Amino acid sequence: TQLLEQSPQFLSIQEGENLTVYCNSSSVFSSLQWYRQEPGEGPVLLVTVVTGGEVKKLKRLTFQFGDARKDSSLHITAAQPGDTGLYLCAGYNAGNMLTFGGGTRLMVKP
Amino acid sequence: KAGVTQTPRYLIKTRGQQVTLSCSPISGHRSVSWYQQTPGQGLQFLFEYFSETQRNKGNFPGRFSGRQFSNSRSEMNVSTLELGDSALYLCASSLKKEVADTQYFGPGTRLTVL
Repeated sequence: TQLLEQSPQFLSIQEGENLTVYCNSSSVFSSLQWYRQEPGEGPVLLVTVVTGGEVKKLKRLTFQFGDARKDSSLHITAAQPGDTGLYLCAGYNAGNMLTFGGGTRLMVKP
Repeated sequence: KAGVTQTPRYLIKTRGQQVTLSCSPISGHRSVSWYQQTPGQGLQFLFEYFSETQRNKGNFPGRFSGRQFSNSRSEMNVSTLELGDSALYLCASSLKKEVADTQYFGPGTRLTVL
């Protein structure tokens, strides 16, 4: 079973601070995805990383895929209250089923 | 283009009852996947349908079933409801031309079993 572990589970920070969320596995994934979910909504895809060592930037969000394709990180610079939400990493396992990490609940206080 | 819609949005049932949830995918999307989201277990894959055929199934008991119609709309059914079935049920649609195709999630159906 390919499991994805996210850390931290909860994060409460002040507006303007930086933060990093980690997604780790003992298994290799062909690709990893990051989603954000807000209350009352379904998850929304932020990015897909495919190549080991790949770095993608989305405004203040930076996503990195580990060289061995077993881990990924999401870094947010100068967090804003609008970044508040549940961040989920996910990867397709050998059976082509999308497996999700447990999620990181982020709260950014003004 | 309209997003993924799920009905109903909220549902309250009692133990032993059965329930049917509905999902309408984005127009042109042929793949529909269902997920269960709970505080304890997180988001877990239930099953995927493509062109009316179940292509993948997660590790859930047989009480959980689904189907897809020729217009790609999908339904999932849970029979003999248990308290632990209380969850947010999410459906997602994609074109599914590739494995890592973007999945677009609906807002979910929140099921409460009393």
